Amino acid sequence: GAVVSQHPSWVICKSGTSVKIECRSLDFQATTMFWYRQFPKQSLMLMATSNEGSKATYEQGVEKDKFLINHASLTLSTLTVTSAHPEDSSFYICSARVARHSTDTQYFGPGTRLTVL
Amino acid sequence: GQQLNQSPQSMFIQEGEDVSMNCTSSSIFNTWLWYKQDPGEGPVLLIALYKAGELTSNGRLTAQFGITRKDSFLNISASIPSDVGIYFCAGPMDSNYQLIWGAGTKLIIKP
Repeated sequence: GAVVSQHPSWVICKSGTSVKIECRSLDFQATTMFWYRQFPKQSLMLMATSNEGSKATYEQGVEKDKFLINHASLTLSTLTVTSAHPEDSSFYICSARVARHSTDTQYFGPGTRLTVL
Repeated sequence: GQQLNQSPQSMFIQEGEDVSMNCTSSSIFNTWLWYKQDPGEGPVLLIALYKAGELTSNGRLTAQFGITRKDSFLNISASIPSDVGIYFCAGPMDSNYQLIWGAGTKLIIKP
């Protein structure tokens, strides 16, 4: 299968600071990556769709100036949480779309646990 | 937002028992995906289904794409402790491949 990595796996920061999370596709090129947020005991909530070389498409209710997404290459997308506050504490997960021949699916990274103090 | 109807919500079973869970939708899907998520980890793809009626296995796991394209089930045979986790079904919503998710089935195995 396809491998997606995330860095860091966890981060603790002070309120008001910015945090950058990296999502990399290790053995394939991903034209489309997705960023999710997950609260305890809930399924994944899509935040934005990131297409290489273009602006990300944000879901309703997700502030684009708060959650900056950059998909500068076919193997890297970054999510920056700007001026983080305690309510931004969550589990952030990225995924990459893999379309090959007759198959088309998403592979997920291991997630990043953000804690804002 | 839109969500797939996944059941059961949780299952308490004995080690060695078979497990069955399913997802239904009011809309037609062309792809059904089954993922497993362990605590503190991202979802891991178990099985992907692309054709109506398709039956696919991955070790002790078997999944089927319903003939109406509105449902899918996942079976786990002879469960073992490492099968514990939350299982999600998902289907792509549009051409950009945004996924619609089920609420998850939490599997708990009694030793």
